[in-house]
Amino acid sequence: QQQVKQSPQSLIVQKGGISIINCAYENTAFDYFPWYQQFPGKGPALLIAIRPDVSEKKEGRFTISFNKSAKQFSLHIMDSQPGDSATYFCAASWNTNAGKSTFGDGTTLTVKP
Amino acid sequence: KAGVTQTPRYLIKTRGQQVTLSCSPISGHRSVSWYQQTPGQGLQFLFEYFSETQRNKGNFPGRFSGRQFSNSRSEMNVSTLELGDSALYLCASSSTANTGELFFGEGSRLTVL
Repeated sequence: QQQVKQSPQSLIVQKGGISIINCAYENTAFDYFPWYQQFPGKGPALLIAIRPDVSEKKEGRFTISFNKSAKQFSLHIMDSQPGDSATYFCAASWNTNAGKSTFGDGTTLTVKP
Repeated sequence: KAGVTQTPRYLIKTRGQQVTLSCSPISGHRSVSWYQQTPGQGLQFLFEYFSETQRNKGNFPGRFSGRQFSNSRSEMNVSTLELGDSALYLCASSSTANTGELFFGEGSRLTVL
């Protein structure tokens, strides 16, 4: 049973555009929702994260929107740049079980110049 | 501060062999988790160790095992390798502050022939 569903699988955006990736979770016990960015040949790296007590978090060009009632959260990348081309994973965990995170299947983002 | 170090980075084995992968976490991090990454299955949780004890375990067969040493370094072992074990094996460490963030290494790419 997949507990975190991510869409789309791939995304192509023009430079300067907005990239939007969505995730839905099932387990209401999750209380930490991070997004990881992975470049080829590298391990995933934390990009931004949110806890369910807030509906939105913004860090530079990256924003997480969180809808607790719908059990959904999304990543918005404003003014997308070619350097943002990477694979993005949403994840969910219990704070006390950070080591056991459940990941979405990933979204490959390509930003065209 | 040095990041998470995984060795070896690449290895090729044949079916039936066994393999041992090593992970050195960030200094001060006592939690080490292992994930299997494949194109079809995404990031799948294998197990987590904390202070030399397995704290969580994913849904993998008993051929997959691990351990953690007193200096927090961890190893994972896969016995009787199968073709389907070909994957990128990622190690991640996290701090005892339970912030939820995982710090990943660059992974060990295993190919089983």
